[in-house]
Amino acid sequence: QSVLTQPPSASGTPGQRVTISCSGSSSNIGSNYVYWYQQLPGTAPKLLIYRNNQRPSGVPDRFSGSKSGTSASLAISGLRSEDEADYYCAAWDDSLSGPGVFGGGTKLTVL
Amino acid sequence: EVQLVESGGGLVQPGGSLRLSCAASGFTFSSYAMSWVRQAPGKGLEWVSAISGSGGSTYYADSVKGRFTISRDNSKNTLYLQMNSLRAEDTAVYYCAKDLVVVPAATFDYWGQGTLVTVSS
Repeated sequence: QSVLTQPPSASGTPGQRVTISCSGSSSNIGSNYVYWYQQLPGTAPKLLIYRNNQRPSGVPDRFSGSKSGTSASLAISGLRSEDEADYYCAAWDDSLSGPGVFGGGTKLTVL
Repeated sequence: EVQLVESGGGLVQPGGSLRLSCAASGFTFSSYAMSWVRQAPGKGLEWVSAISGSGGSTYYADSVKGRFTISRDNSKNTLYLQMNSLRAEDTAVYYCAKDLVVVPAATFDYWGQGTLVTVSS
């Protein structure tokens, strides 16, 4: 069971807007930045969003992140077939002596 | 061009040991924190261990604490993960990942291709 909770699956049709949630607690999302990763089949993860809502260069502005309290969301607008992938949120957790934690991941299907 | 190349994975018996290496190039290695992240077959990501740019601060997930040791040699631009007392549940692809900052965060802007560790008798 992951410390950060994500829905196991999400879906949408091309052109739609979808959101993926990530729920945590005061010791992780509530007091630290949230990060989002995209993992295409058979490849290493790719950083999509850092520090809650910042996009690295090269990431389309169709991807956006937000945070409120102990929850965060990733929104994808203008959905494309190539967006079909697994998405993970991550955050540092102050209650742990170890490194941060990932959410369980959400598999996005483009119908 | 930033490159991270892992090596050292393979098949090992339960209770055995392995040392993973991650050779880095294309950036000032000592200026960035590094981490090991693993992914069991068909499962999600697990942040296993992290180390600051100087190597002075290290972090371990509870699942590996006391069994794994992360280290780095900044003169050789190489990250290591010494894995002892391996268990079947340690079977996974192990990725090394570069952070955007000198202290561990979760801003992994570059990842290696991964190396598979299989723990089985």
